[in-house]
Amino acid sequence: GQNIDQPTEMTATEGAIVQINCTYQTSGFNGLFWYQQHAGEAPTFLSYNVLDGLEEKGRFSSFLSRSKGYSYLLLKELQMKDSASYLCAVTDSNYQLIWGAGTKLIIKP
Amino acid sequence: GAVVSQHPSRVICKSGTSVKIECRSLDFQATTMFWYRQFPKQSLMLMATSNEGSKATYEQGVEKDKFLINHASLTLSTLTVTSAHPEDSSFYICSAGRGQVNEQFFGPGTRLTVL
Repeated sequence: GQNIDQPTEMTATEGAIVQINCTYQTSGFNGLFWYQQHAGEAPTFLSYNVLDGLEEKGRFSSFLSRSKGYSYLLLKELQMKDSASYLCAVTDSNYQLIWGAGTKLIIKP
Repeated sequence: GAVVSQHPSRVICKSGTSVKIECRSLDFQATTMFWYRQFPKQSLMLMATSNEGSKATYEQGVEKDKFLINHASLTLSTLTVTSAHPEDSSFYICSAGRGQVNEQFFGPGTRLTVL
């Protein structure tokens, strides 16, 4: 079967750095997405990785290792508005998007 | 670019009525449109995938006669919840796929409450 694992919940302090991990087992791989979803809102796109390595975009970075079936989302200089759920999703060989359950990130002052 | 609109944003209806939700890609042609449902504090659940001009592909456990999907053009898809019941109350989100990897752009969602 196809499976994506990410922690259910994480807590971090304002101004700090947090890393949200995602591991996947899918039938084929055509890219990995990270989305941010605030409570009661639709997800918004954060990043897309298809090659191994680190993609940096402002305070957010995303890393991919295809051989390990592993990705992480790194958030720096955390702000209270970063409190949200972070969803990892993988596109399989049929270009179908497989979703993780999401990681709820709680930022404390 | 890549804006997706969804209408209505919120709807309250009586049990037994039907509700139609529209999803439009405003500035691009969507190769595929996706319909999701999300219950409180749960992850997105894909309901169906639709391509313009063809029948939607429903996920296991989703009743195709209850959740009617029409994908009339490359920019418009509609989801009709027929004979809605209180257990259908949920947050319904559409997304439009673009490009070969079907990068998805989400609509703002529709909160359905069935009384």
